Amino acid sequence: GAVVSQHPSWVICKSGTSVKIECRSLDFQATTMFWYRQFPKQSLMLMATSNEGSKATYEQGVEKDKFLINHASLTLSTLTVTSAHPEDSSFYICSARDSKNTEAFFGQGTRLTVV
Amino acid sequence: AQSVTQPDIHITVSEGASLELRCNYSYGATPYLFWYVQSPGQGLQLLLKYFSGDTLVQGIKGFEAEFKRSQSSFNLRKPSVHWSDAAEYFCAVGSFNAGNMLTFGGGTRLMVKP
Repeated sequence: GAVVSQHPSWVICKSGTSVKIECRSLDFQATTMFWYRQFPKQSLMLMATSNEGSKATYEQGVEKDKFLINHASLTLSTLTVTSAHPEDSSFYICSARDSKNTEAFFGQGTRLTVV
Repeated sequence: AQSVTQPDIHITVSEGASLELRCNYSYGATPYLFWYVQSPGQGLQLLLKYFSGDTLVQGIKGFEAEFKRSQSSFNLRKPSVHWSDAAEYFCAVGSFNAGNMLTFGGGTRLMVKP
């Protein structure tokens, strides 16, 4: 199957700082990428959908100014958590699909801890 | 809007016993259905998927699932559970019209007794 690489795997940052998470498709062109958030012992909740070259579409309740998503190329999408607070601590997972595939492939996730 | 329900939050089975994890979905058309497994602190691994055709789908690690349209269900089964199967299992429904956005169920945590 296709490979999606997410970096970093875990990050600890201070309150008020910004953190960037990268999601790369290694062997296919990701026309669409999805960002999910998962709180401890809970399910994955879709945050936003991004298509290459377009602005991301955010789900209701997700602050677009706080969670900046950039999908500037067919192999890379980034999620930047701006002015992070402890309540932003979570597990963030991206997935990506190409234009032909109905299946989206997941990255390994990033555990963010804000202290 | 699509939705997925996994009625069982926790399930404990003995090693070697059979397993069935329940999944019910709500979707307006023919759904794309998935089962994923997640080990603690890890990403998601796809176990199997249903797009069309044979309603009994075989996956990796000895898992299978059966799509039953009349019951809006896609239950995951395994005839003999191994201790390494202990993990969190997520059922998901995909919306092709929305670029294959996935909606996940709440997950079922499987524990395996020796």
